[in-house]
Amino acid sequence: GENVEQHPSTLSVQEGDSAVIKCTYSDSASNYFPWYKQELGKRPQLIIDIRSNVGEKKDQRIAVTLNKTAKHFSLHITETQPEDSAVYFCAAPYNTDKLIFGTGTRLQVFP
Amino acid sequence: SAVISQKPSRDICQRGTSLTIQCQVDSQVTMMFWYRQQPGQSLTLIATANQGSEATYESGFVIDKFPISRPNLTFSTLTVSNMSPEDSSIYLCSGTSSGDEQFFGPGTRLTVL
Repeated sequence: GENVEQHPSTLSVQEGDSAVIKCTYSDSASNYFPWYKQELGKRPQLIIDIRSNVGEKKDQRIAVTLNKTAKHFSLHITETQPEDSAVYFCAAPYNTDKLIFGTGTRLQVFP
Repeated sequence: SAVISQKPSRDICQRGTSLTIQCQVDSQVTMMFWYRQQPGQSLTLIATANQGSEATYESGFVIDKFPISRPNLTFSTLTVSNMSPEDSSIYLCSGTSSGDEQFFGPGTRLTVL
């Protein structure tokens, strides 16, 4: 089955700096990789996703890169702001529609 | 994207009792799922709620403990049966129409005394 590893578990940055979170997956058949942001007491929110036919996708200050050969994908946040502080989860699919989630990264952006 | 609501948003229950959580989607979705999220942890898939048939459970979860119903394409329930303090957690439902993008409900925070 699918296994997803996520690093780091915590990440502290100064406002304006960049943040990078990395995930690796095990199932080479996986073809869809979403990232979720979860603020304290709130539901996970899909912030960006990437499909296996592209290597990079950007949406304003966030971007995701995918390396299928190495089986890893990364979330990049540039010009971080205090409101980016949250827990971020990567995920990868197995058995077509199910998602396996990474262990999460707690990002703190200090003003 | 689908909008998903859950009831109740939170509850405090006595051990040995059962609680049924409802999940309502504002549009038809092909797949619905139930997750558990313990404090400070990631999301763990409990089961896939299948419309009109028995749910498909993940390893470590059984129907007797977590019976699930899905009578139509927009509604599902999860029951946490014979609760113990170890069942204290947040329970979330999710839905997907495309088979890819999953959207989550706000969660139900359960505390078992």
